[in-house]
Amino acid sequence: QKEVEQDPGPLSVPEGAIVSLNCTYSNSAFQYFMWYRQYSRKGPELLMYTYSSGNKEDGRFTAQVDKSSKYISLFIRDSQPSDSATYLCAMRFDNYGQNFVFGPGTRLSVLP
Amino acid sequence: GAVVSQHPSRVICKSGTSVKIECRSLDFQATTMFWYRQFPKQSLMLMATSNEGSKATYEQGVEKDKFLINHASLTLSTLTVTSAHPEDSSFYICSARDPRASETQYFGPGTRLLVL
Repeated sequence: QKEVEQDPGPLSVPEGAIVSLNCTYSNSAFQYFMWYRQYSRKGPELLMYTYSSGNKEDGRFTAQVDKSSKYISLFIRDSQPSDSATYLCAMRFDNYGQNFVFGPGTRLSVLP
Repeated sequence: GAVVSQHPSRVICKSGTSVKIECRSLDFQATTMFWYRQFPKQSLMLMATSNEGSKATYEQGVEKDKFLINHASLTLSTLTVTSAHPEDSSFYICSARDPRASETQYFGPGTRLLVL
């Protein structure tokens, strides 16, 4: 079992739809959870980060962490064609020296 | 958010030559930087962790003599691909941890390497 799993997609939705992106993980010691967006041929860009369980909202984006289920989600409301990208989840332990573990990424296409 | 730059953004070289890629944190000092490689339509693969003032830590399977990492200052890390071969062609991305927000990691724009 991989440490972090994510459906690679591609996921295609019509413009305006609500998008749900998810990751599951196996190590309950993860404490920090991040979502990155990566456009083709570009470096990943940090979208959201959360600490431990709960929800965090930023504009059209909502990050949700359920530690009991080892499951994290990113919701995108009113999706736009410009949201078309690969979305990577990442997580790390509560240890400054520890690197991040990334999911494989989900390719999202928002169709106009 | 914090800014990380990479140079060059794209490089084409002949097989057998060495290529140096620079990664700079522009508005913060990064004691730790990371180097990733990404093949088309695949996720990031961590190659090594670069620590300022000490040797880099390489991931299993990454040849430290082929991928030389130098973290000479708190704002600069370099990755040198020595004696590059076509199979080294890839997208190389660096990232830096912002000590002002230890849980976050900011990525550079990436360097596309093509070895002919």
